Amino acid sequence: GAVVSQHPSRVICKSGTSVKIECRSLDFQATTMFWYRQFPKQSLMLMATSNEGSKATYEQGVEKDKFLINHASLTLSTLTVTSAHPEDSSFYICSANPPVDTGELFFGEGSRLTVL
Amino acid sequence: GNSVTQMEGPVTLSEEAFLTINCTYTATGYPSLFWYVQYPGEGLQLLLKATKADDKGSNKGFEATYRKETTSFHLEKGSVQVSDSAVYFCALSAGGSNYKLTFGKGTLLTVNP
Repeated sequence: GAVVSQHPSRVICKSGTSVKIECRSLDFQATTMFWYRQFPKQSLMLMATSNEGSKATYEQGVEKDKFLINHASLTLSTLTVTSAHPEDSSFYICSANPPVDTGELFFGEGSRLTVL
Repeated sequence: GNSVTQMEGPVTLSEEAFLTINCTYTATGYPSLFWYVQYPGEGLQLLLKATKADDKGSNKGFEATYRKETTSFHLEKGSVQVSDSAVYFCALSAGGSNYKLTFGKGTLLTVNP
């Protein structure tokens, strides 16, 4: 099946710094990617829909200035957590839909962010 | 709006036991239903899916049937293995080519030898 890769898998940063997480579709082009956040023992919460070449669409309650999303190419979307705080510590997962409508999303391995 | 409610875990079973993880949903229209599995340290993988009422999704011995009358999509396996230990997520999409998924909270399954 299609492969989606995230980097880094784990990152630790100091409070106030910014962190960038990359999501790549390795063997297909994805016009749309999705970013989710997973809290401990909670479900995945959709944060935003990333559209290649246009602005991301954010879900209600997600701060667009806090979580910057850039989908500069058909194989890469980035999530930047700006001025990170300890409450931003979480597991961030991206997914992408393949160009052929199979009804299946492909997920990255996830990135665990810890803000000290 | 759409929502998914699944059985709270954790669930602990012995090897070869029967597994059921309940999942019910609320949605407008005719959603597609999915079960995703997350093994320790890995991302989510699609386990099975069903796109219309009475469809049965199956994979790796797991099954789930799309029941519109009860708005349910319960996951079952007749004989679990230690390697099935993972977190299982029930999810729905609004159907068609809309890939925005709504997930349940996940159920942690631990299978002991």
